[in-house]
Amino acid sequence: GAGVSQSPSNKVTEKGKDVELRCDPISGHTALYWYRQSLGQGLEFLIYFQGNSAPDKSGLPSDRFSAERTGGSVSTLTIQRTQQEDSAVYLCASSGGDSYNEQFFGPGTRLTVL
Amino acid sequence: GENVEQHPSTLSVQEGDSAVIKCTYSDSASNYFPWYKQELGKRPQLIIDIRSNVGEKKDQRIAVTLNKTAKHFSLHITETQPEDSAVYFCAASDSGGYNKLIFGAGTRLAVHP
Repeated sequence: GAGVSQSPSNKVTEKGKDVELRCDPISGHTALYWYRQSLGQGLEFLIYFQGNSAPDKSGLPSDRFSAERTGGSVSTLTIQRTQQEDSAVYLCASSGGDSYNEQFFGPGTRLTVL
Repeated sequence: GENVEQHPSTLSVQEGDSAVIKCTYSDSASNYFPWYKQELGKRPQLIIDIRSNVGEKKDQRIAVTLNKTAKHFSLHITETQPEDSAVYFCAASDSGGYNKLIFGAGTRLAVHP
């Protein structure tokens, strides 16, 4: 079946502009995660959605970052007034929602802020 | 919240040698410890995981050990091959979040023919 998809694959923007990154999880997966991976670095947790529960936003680095998940499926990560330090690969993952479930990652969106 | 330390950051071995990557975690309530492999330019993929009620798990050339008392777990790769070259990430579940994972910083493994 189809895996996790993300769009766009690459995004180049100017400092100060807003960007929206999209994630389509695996159908039926109740949990969805956003991570940020800077060049050569690890996976930094940003936000986590589980079913209809309030999202865990504890990893969002500033109030310029927000995310939504509509209808329990597609998610959008929005970065307002982008800064150069926001440049990174943004990875989305989904899982079945049960304990210990494998997280399946999307291909990522490479964001470059000029 | 959970904090995961991973070392070494880089590891270089000769083909056929063994490789060991170690991680420590801070939250004694963590109960799930997966390992992900990320090849260059690709997405991370799960290679093996272990739960807190198990001390060791093996899958062909890969094994993971867990010491809950010391709060550390390790990945062992035997008979390494060039295709094992990748970045490996350990992770630990965060007790404050259902199914939430905190990742280590990664280990870049290079296997030389």
